[in-house]
Amino acid sequence: DQQVKQNSPSLSVQEGRISILNCDYTNSMFDYFLWYKKYPAEGPTFLISISSIKDKNEDGRFTVFLNKSAKHLSLHIVPSQPGDSAVYFCAASRSYNTDKLIFGTGTRLQVFP
Amino acid sequence: DSGVTQTPKHLITATGQRVTLRCSPRSGDLSVYWYQQSLDQGLQFLIQYYNGEERAKGNILERFSAQQFPDLHSELNLSSLELGDSALYFCASSAPGEQFFGPGTRLTVL
Repeated sequence: DQQVKQNSPSLSVQEGRISILNCDYTNSMFDYFLWYKKYPAEGPTFLISISSIKDKNEDGRFTVFLNKSAKHLSLHIVPSQPGDSAVYFCAASRSYNTDKLIFGTGTRLQVFP
Repeated sequence: DSGVTQTPKHLITATGQRVTLRCSPRSGDLSVYWYQQSLDQGLQFLIQYYNGEERAKGNILERFSAQQFPDLHSELNLSSLELGDSALYFCASSAPGEQFFGPGTRLTVL
């Protein structure tokens, strides 16, 4: 049972444009959501997070939107840069503190010049 | 650098063997989590330890076990290895609101 889903395995975007990565979840007990970025041969690196009490969180070029009623979140990267090319994982947790993360299967983003 | 270290980086072994993966969390972090990533899939939660005690368990096979020692480092033991156990194994430690991941151990079972 895949509780966190990333239905687009890959996305290709031109440099300078917006990248939008999507994530859906099924478990209404999830209270906290995170996005991680992963390069080959490295561990995932935290990007940005959002609590279920918010609908938007912004950090520089990265913005995460949460639609609780639709159980959907998205990560916007503006403007996209070639260095953003990586695999992006959406993850969900029942708690802000010390709880396991449930990951989606990832979206591979390629930003081309 | 996340501050989480994992050894070894690569491990190649044969079916039926037993291996031990080691993880040292960030200084001061009491929780250690183990995750498995197979074939470009998402990370699957295996097990969590908090200050030496098991806190939560995911879909961890009975052939797998883990422990956390008094100095807070953790070991994941995988026994009677099968071809399907080939994967990346990550450990993470946590601060409120975030988990920090190590570089992973790539296990190849031949």
